[in-house]
Amino acid sequence: KAGVTQTPRYLIKTRGQQVTLSCSPISGHRSVSWYQQTPGQGLQFLFEYFSETQRNKGNFPGRFSGRQFSNSRSEMNVSTLELGDSALYLCASRGPWRTEAFFGQGTRLTVV
Amino acid sequence: GQQLNQSPQSMFIQEGEDVSMNCTSSSIFNTWLWYKQEPGEGPVLLIALYKAGELTSNGRLTAQFGITRKDSFLNISASIPSDVGIYFCAAYNQGGKLIFGQGTELSVKP
Repeated sequence: KAGVTQTPRYLIKTRGQQVTLSCSPISGHRSVSWYQQTPGQGLQFLFEYFSETQRNKGNFPGRFSGRQFSNSRSEMNVSTLELGDSALYLCASRGPWRTEAFFGQGTRLTVV
Repeated sequence: GQQLNQSPQSMFIQEGEDVSMNCTSSSIFNTWLWYKQEPGEGPVLLIALYKAGELTSNGRLTAQFGITRKDSFLNISASIPSDVGIYFCAAYNQGGKLIFGQGTELSVKP
């Protein structure tokens, strides 16, 4: 069974630009969550999608948004990038009625 | 808000030694998860715990769900160089969000 796949693995963007990250969950998993990981703040929850609906949201500004498609693939968008948005963005998927979250390898975003 | 306090922050040990780390909180949780993360990679699930008092093993790793439901422990026996990485505890808060401890960075000297 293929794991969680995130693309791209690395990105360099300029301040003010926007970026879209993609996540394909494990087959059969309908819940997809996104996390931001930085050395200073650790792993922080961004949002969770289930069946194309946002089910939960963390404490991030509105510049961070996401969506989920009917095949459970999810995208995360960050608009008007700031230097502080440089981080490893992780996506995780969960199976039906399960609590174990399985992570992808992450997308390393660098804002210059 | 609900927080997970993980300790120690880092450990430097000799190959072959046993390792213990723990996660505590003032809040009660129904599930504890332990992850390992290596540089440039996403966290990998090691052990999931569902019941207070539960003791679960995965090879040389053993984790326990504290009886008070406010803590969890992870032990690694006979450490080897490939155990190097950052270990995180995680649990779902009341809002259903998965929250993480600050991590324990493990270094193993051959």
